[in-house]
Amino acid sequence: TQLLEQSPQFLSIQEGENLTVYCNSSSVFSSLQWYRQEPGEGPVLLVTVVTGGEVKKLKRLTFQFGDARKDSSLHITAAQPGDTGLYLCAGALYNQGGKLIFGQGTELSVKP
Amino acid sequence: GAVVSQHPSWVICKSGTSVKIECRSLDFQATTMFWYRQFPKQSLMLMATSNEGSKATYEQGVEKDKFLINHASLTLSTLTVTSAHPEDSSFYICSASYGTAIYEQYFGPGTRLTVT
Repeated sequence: TQLLEQSPQFLSIQEGENLTVYCNSSSVFSSLQWYRQEPGEGPVLLVTVVTGGEVKKLKRLTFQFGDARKDSSLHITAAQPGDTGLYLCAGALYNQGGKLIFGQGTELSVKP
Repeated sequence: GAVVSQHPSWVICKSGTSVKIECRSLDFQATTMFWYRQFPKQSLMLMATSNEGSKATYEQGVEKDKFLINHASLTLSTLTVTSAHPEDSSFYICSASYGTAIYEQYFGPGTRLTVT
């Protein structure tokens, strides 16, 4: 069974704090996506990382793909209440027709 | 770009009836469409993968006769929940991908199904 372990599952922090979410697997991914989902809506694609060791930045969000392409992290600097939501990592396996393996999700709450 | 719509956004039906959910890619032709189910506070569970003009591939444990998927065109896929029961109540989300980056999925807004 291919698994993508995401941690932490719940995170409640104050505005201005930093945080990191991790996704780990024993499987090698051709790419890894990070999504953000708000209640009652579909996930929105934040970033795709493809190359081992790749780092991408999206304003206060920094995404990293592990050298071995088995893990990834999302770091948020100076979190804001608008960052509140469910963050999902999803890995694409080779030769699986684009099928994604999703992590369990991280429920982030940023309090003002 | 890469906008996916779903209709309806929510539906309430009686036990034993069937419900059809539509998923459309509005500004692109979708190579593949995916159907997911999501329970409150949980991640997405893939139900099936469909390509235009061919039969859907269902994940293990998903009843193909209960969850009928039709992918009639490159912009439309439908999921029909047949003989719905209260345990089928859930949030159903579709996604679509296109081009060479088939691993990048663009999600619809979801459909909340409640079976009474």
